[in-house]
Amino acid sequence: QKEVEQNSGPLSVPEGAIASLNCTYSDRGSQSFFWYRQYSGKSPELIMFIYSNGDKEDGRFTAQLNKASQYVSLLIRDSQPSDSATYLCAVNSGGFKTIFGAGTRLFVKA
Amino acid sequence: GAVVSQHPSWVICKSGTSVKIECRSLDFQATTMFWYRQFPKQSLMLMATSNEGSKATYEQGVEKDKFLINHASLTLSTLTVTSAHPEDSSFYICSATGTSGRAFSYEQYFGPGTRLTVT
Repeated sequence: QKEVEQNSGPLSVPEGAIASLNCTYSDRGSQSFFWYRQYSGKSPELIMFIYSNGDKEDGRFTAQLNKASQYVSLLIRDSQPSDSATYLCAVNSGGFKTIFGAGTRLFVKA
Repeated sequence: GAVVSQHPSWVICKSGTSVKIECRSLDFQATTMFWYRQFPKQSLMLMATSNEGSKATYEQGVEKDKFLINHASLTLSTLTVTSAHPEDSSFYICSATGTSGRAFSYEQYFGPGTRLTVT
């Protein structure tokens, strides 16, 4: 069973702090990694994807991938209350089927 | 780019009736579309995967005769909930993935979802 694990949270951080969201996966053959943000009552929105080991930065978001340790993380710098949402980690091992984690709820306190 | 629409955004129907939900990729060709269901405060649950022109692949435990999926073109997939019951009330979300000229193009783009309430 291919799995994607996330801490359900809630992760609570003060406004302006760095939020760190982590995800581990079981399939060593995984090739593509995604982070989605889902606001309550809305559908997921793709915010980052990463394919290679290392860091990938996009604005306030940085995705980090370590294939040897089988984890991928998302850092959100200068967290804002509007970042409060559930963040879904997703992993693809080739083909079109992507496995989603259950999500981590992030709460940014003003 | 990569916009996916769903219609309707919400629907209320009576128990025993059928409801059709449409999912369209507006600015790309969706070779594969996915249908998810999400209950309040729970995670996404994949129901089925559909490829254009072929039969959908259903996840274990999902009744294919109850949830009919048609992916007739590269931009349209439909989910029909037949003989709906109150326990089918949920948030149904489609997503699509397709070719974009990249080496790896597996990111899924989600529609806004359809909230179904069966009374």
